[in-house]
Amino acid sequence: SQQGEEDPQALSIQEGENATMNCSYKTSINNLQWYRQNSGRGLVHLILIRSNEREKHSGRLRVTLDTSKKSSSLLITASRAADTASYFCATYNQGGKLIFGQGTELSVKP
Amino acid sequence: KAGVTQTPRYLIKTRGQQVTLSCSPISGHRSVSWYQQTPGQGLQFLFEYFSETQRNKGNFPGRFSGRQFSNSRSEMNVSTLELGDSALYLCASSSRTGENTEAFFGQGTRLTVV
Repeated sequence: SQQGEEDPQALSIQEGENATMNCSYKTSINNLQWYRQNSGRGLVHLILIRSNEREKHSGRLRVTLDTSKKSSSLLITASRAADTASYFCATYNQGGKLIFGQGTELSVKP
Repeated sequence: KAGVTQTPRYLIKTRGQQVTLSCSPISGHRSVSWYQQTPGQGLQFLFEYFSETQRNKGNFPGRFSGRQFSNSRSEMNVSTLELGDSALYLCASSSRTGENTEAFFGQGTRLTVV
């Protein structure tokens, strides 16, 4: 079963615009992670936010976490064509497995 | 530092055959996890090995098995292949097991069953 669910499933924007993706999860967590996957390739770790953190930045990425709503968002500012990829949130379930959501497919048009 | 290496990258097999996929983790990493990715089911957790012991297992039939060697390299085996086993199989390594751990993924093995 999926622990995290991303929204929207697909997002298409123009270069330079900001992209926001949301993730909701079901159970309590110690941390939440975001990954990127370029078409048919391996996943790349982007950022990890702990349950006692509300916001975290890494370059053009900004992640927020609201544990009361069991949700997180990933904001990519000033998007580039190279940001075109699928983005996944992931959390550890109670069994200690890292479980991924279905992902958001982001398309950035030049 | 070399990344996670998965071999082979592409594989075509016939229904009923068996297949073995290999994963070499980042040097020093002792945890290896396997995932199956399909368009319909997304990323599904198969199993995790740490120090040669299976630590976690997903909801897959017994046809899916794995092992880890003393050098942390891992293999997964799928016997009696079915068409539905066609997928991208991803391996991830971590320096330790448990939470607060980021996973480093290989490029995957694309398995096609015909």
